[in-house]
Amino acid sequence: GAGVSQSPSNKVTEKGKDVELRCDPISGHTALYWYRQRLGQGLEFLIYFQGNSAPDKSGLPSDRFSAERTGESVSTLTIQRTQQEDSAVYLCASSFVGGPNYEQYFGPGTRLTVT
Amino acid sequence: AQSVTQLGSHVSVSEGALVLLRCNYSSSVPPYLFWYVQYPNQGLQLLLKYTSAATLVKGINGFEAEFKKSETSFHLTKPSAHMSDAAEYFCAVSDDSSNTGKLIFGQGTTLQVKP
Repeated sequence: GAGVSQSPSNKVTEKGKDVELRCDPISGHTALYWYRQRLGQGLEFLIYFQGNSAPDKSGLPSDRFSAERTGESVSTLTIQRTQQEDSAVYLCASSFVGGPNYEQYFGPGTRLTVT
Repeated sequence: AQSVTQLGSHVSVSEGALVLLRCNYSSSVPPYLFWYVQYPNQGLQLLLKYTSAATLVKGINGFEAEFKKSETSFHLTKPSAHMSDAAEYFCAVSDDSSNTGKLIFGQGTTLQVKP
């Protein structure tokens, strides 16, 4: 079946512009995660959604970052007033439910470059 | 706070040689530990995970890892490297402060396989 998809695959934007990144999870997966991968570094957790519960936003680095998810469908990550340090690959993952016993399936990521 | 340390950002082996990628973790409770592989321009793929059952965990593509509590280690091994194993490998621990399954990653190790 279809895996996790993300769009766009690449995004180049000017400093100060807003960007929206999209994630389509695997159908039936109730949990969705966003991570950020800066060049040469490991992944950093950003935000977690589980069904209709309040999201865990503890990893968002600043109030310029926000994310939404409607029910168990698509999620969008929005970065306002982008800065050069926002340049990274943004990865989305979904799992059947949240928790360490359930495998997270990762999308291919969106490479964001802020010039 | 939990953390993961991967020793060696780059490891180079000859085809057919033993692969050893090192991972140490810190956790105040028995951890859930994972190894992921990332091929160029692709998302992460789960290789194996430790969930407090057997200490020697077998994964896909001939990889295995051994959980050693006394050493707080979870090193990844493969007896004989193939060219196709060239990729970036990430060790991760599941955050135990919540039951969300969000992952804390190491910095990653790039494996080069020489013919």
